[in-house]
Amino acid sequence: QGQLVQSGAEVKKPGASVKVSCKASGYTFVAYTITWVRQAPGQGLEWMGWITVYNGNTNYAQNFQDRVTMTTDTSTSTAYMELRSLRFDDTAIYYCTREALVRASDVWGQGTMVTVSS
Amino acid sequence: SYVLTQPPSVSVAPGKTARITCGGNNIGNTNVHWYQQKPGQAPLLVIYLDRDRPSGISERFSGSKSGNTATLTINRVEAGDEADYYCQGWDSPSDRVFGGGTKLTVL
Repeated sequence: QGQLVQSGAEVKKPGASVKVSCKASGYTFVAYTITWVRQAPGQGLEWMGWITVYNGNTNYAQNFQDRVTMTTDTSTSTAYMELRSLRFDDTAIYYCTREALVRASDVWGQGTMVTVSS
Repeated sequence: SYVLTQPPSVSVAPGKTARITCGGNNIGNTNVHWYQQKPGQAPLLVIYLDRDRPSGISERFSGSKSGNTATLTINRVEAGDEADYYCQGWDSPSDRVFGGGTKLTVL
């Protein structure tokens, strides 16, 4: 069925970068797209972008285009999301998801809490 | 940018039917997915492509669409259905968008 396991919580200072990992298992990694979604404390879901694993194509939400990079390592079935120039309002839980052909996220990671604090 | 509009909250008594709407001016031309999120948990896909249920999701959950409004219906609501519900669509073939979320309270 598939599983996504994310890296642990991070605390960063404003202006720093964070790189969150997402390790896939139980399915053919290259056959799906990985998306990233974040959720600020007490807020709703915000789509950040996707990466097509088999060819590395990416599409980022306009809000993040200048600060985010999504990559994958097919040798370890791991996806990465790097967010640069962190601000206080980047404090959130970051989720990776597996997106099926119907563009629905049918598998979610457990989430990674990123706290931006001085 | 494309906006999907959900009511912030819906309340329903146990055993009754809950309906959560999702409005957007392009919904009629695309598909909608629905996610359930319980406190402290990652979201869970409960409806995809407007009305299809993933395996393992209760038959009490159903989806429909009319015009520019999609609706998630939960029949015979149980206490365990209390959660936040999000609709998801896309603005273009490339961009995804989530509704603001609806908190379902079981009275």
